[in-house]
Amino acid sequence: GAVVSQHPSWVICKSGTSVKIECRSLDFQATTMFWYRQFPKQSLMLMATSNEGSKATYEQGVEKDKFLINHASLTLSTLTVTSAHPEDSSFYICSARNRAVYQETQYFGPGTRLLVL
Amino acid sequence: AQSVTQLGSHVSVSEGALVLLRCNYSSSVPPYLFWYVQYPNQGLQLLLKYTSAATLVKGINGFEAEFKKSETSFHLTKPSAHMSDAAEYFCAVSRTGGGNKLTFGTGTQLKVEL
Repeated sequence: GAVVSQHPSWVICKSGTSVKIECRSLDFQATTMFWYRQFPKQSLMLMATSNEGSKATYEQGVEKDKFLINHASLTLSTLTVTSAHPEDSSFYICSARNRAVYQETQYFGPGTRLLVL
Repeated sequence: AQSVTQLGSHVSVSEGALVLLRCNYSSSVPPYLFWYVQYPNQGLQLLLKYTSAATLVKGINGFEAEFKKSETSFHLTKPSAHMSDAAEYFCAVSRTGGGNKLTFGTGTQLKVEL
């Protein structure tokens, strides 16, 4: 149980295009999902907290108009990188919190590697 | 604000030797502490967590960690390293449970040699 998937696992796009990344909780409902960004050889940095049915909460320094987050259902959150540029190339990881258990652990997805040419 | 510091970005041990990965935390409130492991091109897997119960926490794959408030530490250990333990390890802290915002350390790459 407690499986989180991400799609796609790899994406290469041209500069200026938009890319959508999906995060799904497969066997539990998640009112809250988190989006992290990881640069090579570095730690994970929280970008935003995605709450089902409401606006995402962005961390300081993260452009909300560039990184659009939609948490439309209890099992799906999407991150759209708009007008992507090479500096947006990174490893994006989502995690989901099981709504059934308070203070439960976050379950992490396998990540999506984005390369912007 | 909360933070964690992982001493040593790279640690190398021989197979069968003791693994010790260091983590020190800073928190204005009683912390919740976690160790995660990341294999190449994969997400994070929880190894263990401290949530104010027993100070010695046992996790998966033979790992354990001890919460020492006086030293503000939460070091990860394993008595005998296995080749499959080679991975990146992250220490993380949260104000409340692990279902909330996590602040990660910079990570320690563990290498296991024959």
